[in-house]
Amino acid sequence: QMQLQESGPGLVKPSETLSLTCTVSGGSISSSSYYWGWIRQPPGKGLEWIGSLYYSGTTYYNPSLKSRLTISVDTSKNQFSLKLSSVTAADTAVYYCARLACFTSCYYPRGYYMDVWGKGTTVTVSS
Amino acid sequence: DIQLTQSPSFLSASVGDRVTITCRASLGISNYLAWYQQKPGKAPKVLIYAASTLESGVPPRFSGSGSGTEFTLTISSLQPEDFATYYCQQLIGYPVTFGPGTKLDIK
Repeated sequence: QMQLQESGPGLVKPSETLSLTCTVSGGSISSSSYYWGWIRQPPGKGLEWIGSLYYSGTTYYNPSLKSRLTISVDTSKNQFSLKLSSVTAADTAVYYCARLACFTSCYYPRGYYMDVWGKGTTVTVSS
Repeated sequence: DIQLTQSPSFLSASVGDRVTITCRASLGISNYLAWYQQKPGKAPKVLIYAASTLESGVPPRFSGSGSGTEFTLTISSLQPEDFATYYCQQLIGYPVTFGPGTKLDIK
């Protein structure tokens, strides 16, 4: 059974870089059937898609975050990572990683939904 | 961006009730829609994708319908474990977007 686990610092100072890693177990991140993604949820608010990637390194970013965002993959470790630079209090959120499965057409983002989620990790931006 | 709206934002209901949540898209998205359930302190869980396909392991009291710009999630007979927040997500446009959520609580 596939599991995803987020890890990284729970506290980041303003203007610094937020770095998180998602470790995939119970399956290979190099599967051609899936994309992998990051989603966040500010306290008391809804879900925001951050970005997605394919094991080959192809990435898709939310335009609202693109200038500060890097998502990368390490297939040897079965991990993918997120780096968000110049953070502010508005970046305080629970960050989730997820597996994206496709039901038809399979040309990202067409048909891709989040079928396996990590438990999430809380990141607070504060000095 | 494709905007999603959900109605109602809040819904109070009783165990055994039939409830319906609506999601509307700002552009036609065919059947490229998923529904998620989120309980407090937990990650979201997919219930339905392709607007009406039940994810494996999800109880059949959940159903989805719709196409184009209007979609519904129906719970035929509410169970205590169904009280949660529900989100829709469109699966066709870039960037990926979610609806604002519908909180379902106990009356």
